[in-house]
Amino acid sequence: QQQVKQSPQSLIVQKGGISIINCAYENTAFDYFPWYQQFPGKGPALLIAIRPDVSEKKEGRFTISFNKSAKQFSLHIMDSQPGDSATYFCAAILNSGGYQKVTFGTGTKLQVIP
Amino acid sequence: DTEVTQTPKHLVMGMTNKKSLKCEQHMGHRAMYWYKQKAKKPPELMFVYSYEKLSINESVPSRFSPECPNSSLLNLHLHALQPEDSALYLCASSPRPWAADTQYFGPGTRLTVL
Repeated sequence: QQQVKQSPQSLIVQKGGISIINCAYENTAFDYFPWYQQFPGKGPALLIAIRPDVSEKKEGRFTISFNKSAKQFSLHIMDSQPGDSATYFCAAILNSGGYQKVTFGTGTKLQVIP
Repeated sequence: DTEVTQTPKHLVMGMTNKKSLKCEQHMGHRAMYWYKQKAKKPPELMFVYSYEKLSINESVPSRFSPECPNSSLLNLHLHALQPEDSALYLCASSPRPWAADTQYFGPGTRLTVL
């Protein structure tokens, strides 16, 4: 019940296209849903995050769509650029006591080709 | 400021060495985390400190020893490691659990055990 399933495993998109990554979860107790972007050899960087009572959040070219009834959420990257080429992890956060337990998706390697 | 710093960036050590990894944050976060990340995998939780007390130890071998000297600093002491312990070690911190916020990661320490 703690799993977060992420797809696709890899994605190739043309420059200027839309990249879409999907995640699904089971545990309805999750409090927060972030997306992390990670470049090789670097730590994951928070990209955008959403609360479960919000259906969509947009920040620049990045949009999270959240479907609470279906227990699914997705990341849309508009006008994808070669600099967006990275691995993306969705995650689900459970606040427990004084700390957070993060369940990560398995990751999507995005390649944006010119 | 949402920065978590980690030193060193790279570390090469022999199986008989003793070394330490250091993590620091000045965001006032009271929960701090150590993760281990292997290539092409999501981060795996190792330890959680909440208000300077060890809250979670995810069955990590005793050759890894965490320490939280104060609310801003987190150390990971390494001794008698194995080659399979080579990985990217990530530190993260998070704010109060009732804040709709997420974990912030440092850049990581790339550890190679020879």
